Amino acid sequence: EPEVTQTPSHQVTQMGQEVILRCVPISNHLYFYWYRQILGQKVEFLVSFYNNEISEKSEIFDDQFSVERPDGSNFTLKIRSTKLEDSAMYFCASRGTGTGGPPYTEAFFGQGTRLTVV
Amino acid sequence: LAKTTQPISMDSYEGQEVNITCSHNNIATNDYITWYQQFPSQGPRFIIQGYKTKVTNEVASLFIPADRKSSTLSLPRVSLSDTAVYYCLVAPNSGYSTLTFGKGTMLLVSP
Repeated sequence: EPEVTQTPSHQVTQMGQEVILRCVPISNHLYFYWYRQILGQKVEFLVSFYNNEISEKSEIFDDQFSVERPDGSNFTLKIRSTKLEDSAMYFCASRGTGTGGPPYTEAFFGQGTRLTVV
Repeated sequence: LAKTTQPISMDSYEGQEVNITCSHNNIATNDYITWYQQFPSQGPRFIIQGYKTKVTNEVASLFIPADRKSSTLSLPRVSLSDTAVYYCLVAPNSGYSTLTFGKGTMLLVSP
């Protein structure tokens, strides 16, 4: 079964440092997302990306966050200056073949990157 | 976006059928109902999606009444490995639609 892969699985960083979380979505998918989940809380939407641009973003996704699809396979989330409250599990997701395949609401999630800001 | 309401938690025993109901009174005409499952420290996983009536796959069944203001996820004969959080989502069946997760239902299956 195709899968979304994320690296690293765990990252520890000091407050104020920049981090880049990496994701390889499923190859023929068109829509890409980042979500985060603070320990014990719900999964929160950060940003969606389609056709090489942000299609929607939440209030959480402020100027400290950016996303990029630098080549045909990777999808990255950058946090410019990390804060303690950025500590969370970050999930990348992808969906949509654009060819009438699975339901468009079937998003495939990666295993996540646990970000710890100290 | 249609708001969803689910029980915070449910308990069951191995071998029993579990039904988790979700309320979505403000569902729109073009909204679909989708359920996801999440194990600790893992990303959510798609279980099933429906628009109306009944949908069944190898994992679960989804019952949607005619007014579509609620839906019920049915898990037949649960096992310990079905212990997880189950999320009900309502969104248009479009790649542009944002999947918004609520707090979900924590299902605990005991021996």
